[in-house]
Amino acid sequence: SAVISQKPSRDICQRGTSLTIQCQVDSQVTMMFWYRQQPGQSLTLIATANQGSEATYESGFVIDKFPISRPNLTFSTLTVSNMSPEDSSIYLCSVKDSGNQPQHFGDGTRLSIL
Amino acid sequence: KNQVEQSPQSLIILEGKNCTLQCNYTVSPFSNLRWYKQDTGRGPVSLTIMTFSENTKSNGRYTATLDADTKQSSLHITASQLSDSASYICVVSAYSGAGSYQLTFGKGTKLSVIP
Repeated sequence: SAVISQKPSRDICQRGTSLTIQCQVDSQVTMMFWYRQQPGQSLTLIATANQGSEATYESGFVIDKFPISRPNLTFSTLTVSNMSPEDSSIYLCSVKDSGNQPQHFGDGTRLSIL
Repeated sequence: KNQVEQSPQSLIILEGKNCTLQCNYTVSPFSNLRWYKQDTGRGPVSLTIMTFSENTKSNGRYTATLDADTKQSSLHITASQLSDSASYICVVSAYSGAGSYQLTFGKGTKLSVIP
């Protein structure tokens, strides 16, 4: 299965600032996703990162708040913009090859906003 | 609305004992069901995947069952070890058309195995 590296693994940020999270995969993958995991809650899909085009966002998530890039088939970034304490969460990158194949997850970025 | 409910929310067992985690779902149209293990500070890792026609699947000391009629699944852990301490997440896949699948995640069961 694909090996997924996320950076940073954790960070503490000031409110109002922005942070960009990187996701690097060791092989080309068809689909890349970004999830949020809040304490005691299930994983929530933020968006699907599309190579060479705008990401597809789920209801409740907007590009201005969570801009996403995917310049190629092995790399994507998620930016959390104008952060507030409510954005404190774990952000996970996930990949799969196609359709109904299993999804693989990175170890996540633990973000705390003061 | 697709939903996945897991029980119990948390569980503490003694090392060496067995335990069973439950997952009930209302997801349609059903494609498959996966159990993931998430260690503290790590991402979820797939343990088993079951399709509509499968009712039991094992992966070492982990055995998953699926009853597609009652829309229930269970994950049985045999002879638990300290390393089994983790959150176990039930994930159900539904076909959403045009070759796409939508995943619905449960909130997970947090298992603690104590010496």
